[in-house]
Amino acid sequence: ERVMTQSPATLSVSPGERATLSCRASQSVGSDLAWYQQKPGQVPRLLIYGASTRAAGIPARFSGSGSGTEFTLTISSLQSEDFAVYYCQHYNKWPPYTFGQGTKVEIK
Amino acid sequence: QVQLVQSGAEVKKPGSSVKVSCKASGGTFTTYPISWVRQAPGQGLEWMGGIIPIFGTPNYAQKFQGRVTITADESTSTAYMQLNSLRSEDTALYYCARGRSEDSWDSDLWGRGTLVTVSS
Repeated sequence: ERVMTQSPATLSVSPGERATLSCRASQSVGSDLAWYQQKPGQVPRLLIYGASTRAAGIPARFSGSGSGTEFTLTISSLQSEDFAVYYCQHYNKWPPYTFGQGTKVEIK
Repeated sequence: QVQLVQSGAEVKKPGSSVKVSCKASGGTFTTYPISWVRQAPGQGLEWMGGIIPIFGTPNYAQKFQGRVTITADESTSTAYMQLNSLRSEDTALYYCARGRSEDSWDSDLWGRGTLVTVSS
């Protein structure tokens, strides 16, 4: 089973600043890595797939990078609606398609 | 517009079973992966297993192997997740989610979740 580890657990950022979130896989997942955003009381929303491709309707301030075992989600200039919990998930080859434990982005 | 409509909240006793349904309306169901993901109160997302209805063979996370059964009924475009031997730690919101494409298990369409409460 591939274990996905996200860091940091909590990220305190001021509006307008850049946020950088990390996700590490215990074994290579190629580029089969997705990022989700979840706000309180809402279902997860797919932001990024294929490690770097924005899903439909996702603003350009969200970008993903990485391959293999190291991945990054960058939010270039945080807006008020971006404060949420972010999860990575691999979907490479065989299951389970595990999630990371999440990074909470909070207002500084 | 495709939607995933899940069954309503359940309250169960420890040791019992629960079966949650997920009906797809308005779009393709049988050829897309369907995942079941749960989220305990205040916790993260946990992938439990999934199925591609047209193939019918489910995959399960090892943690749930032997206790969970995932099935799909193509005729009604409905997927099911049954969890047996419930314990208090199974109290969670259970989501079904559809794969973004026919060969991808990341999910761009989610049900609203079914709250399962396990309490004596």
